[in-house]
Amino acid sequence: DAGITQSPRHKVTETGTPVTLRCHQTENHRYMYWYRQDPGHGLRLIHYSYGVKDTDKGEVSDGYSVSRSKTEDFLLTLESATSSQTSVYFCAIIGGPGTEAFFGQGTRLTVV
Amino acid sequence: KNEVEQSPQNLTAQEGEFITINCSYSVGISALHWLQQHPGGGIVSLFMLSSGKKKHGRLIATINIQEKHSSLHITASHPRDSAVYICAAPPKNFGNEKLTFGTGTRLTIIP
Repeated sequence: DAGITQSPRHKVTETGTPVTLRCHQTENHRYMYWYRQDPGHGLRLIHYSYGVKDTDKGEVSDGYSVSRSKTEDFLLTLESATSSQTSVYFCAIIGGPGTEAFFGQGTRLTVV
Repeated sequence: KNEVEQSPQNLTAQEGEFITINCSYSVGISALHWLQQHPGGGIVSLFMLSSGKKKHGRLIATINIQEKHSSLHITASHPRDSAVYICAAPPKNFGNEKLTFGTGTRLTIIP
């Protein structure tokens, strides 16, 4: 199995609180992605990183920020959680062209 | 318009039937990925292919680069094949580009 782990796997938080999700990889892959998955929408890109300290926004980035201070960790932060951010969050990694993509097991976040 | 389109969105079939799921893309790609997600589960990679055909057990993936089209076939389908199947198209040159997904095909195999 590829070395990619997400933490936490489940979280319930209150509206207005900050939340940080962690994606950790041991594959030394350059590219890391955060997606959210909601019924009827499939996987939607929140933010992605193409190198240490190199990040860019995806299609649903409002309300989210990311940081990547080292190759192995990509953090997703909800500065002030809202109920609309209740979702399942997936992290993905890929080494580059022609390499396989690997996914974390997902984090189920509930904002109450 | 999504750069990666899948069809059908939902598919229900009887056990034993031959299944085909299609993926069309409009972007230049380095390879196309087929992924599987069981209900409530994680996402696993089934295939990565940039040309021709690949086979793994009862699953077969094909790609036509010129037509920008890929298909995933399942032979002798089984209820355990019930899952969401997703195609993903990494950009050709990567750089600072993103990995684009189709919206998925929900497959239900009835015993």
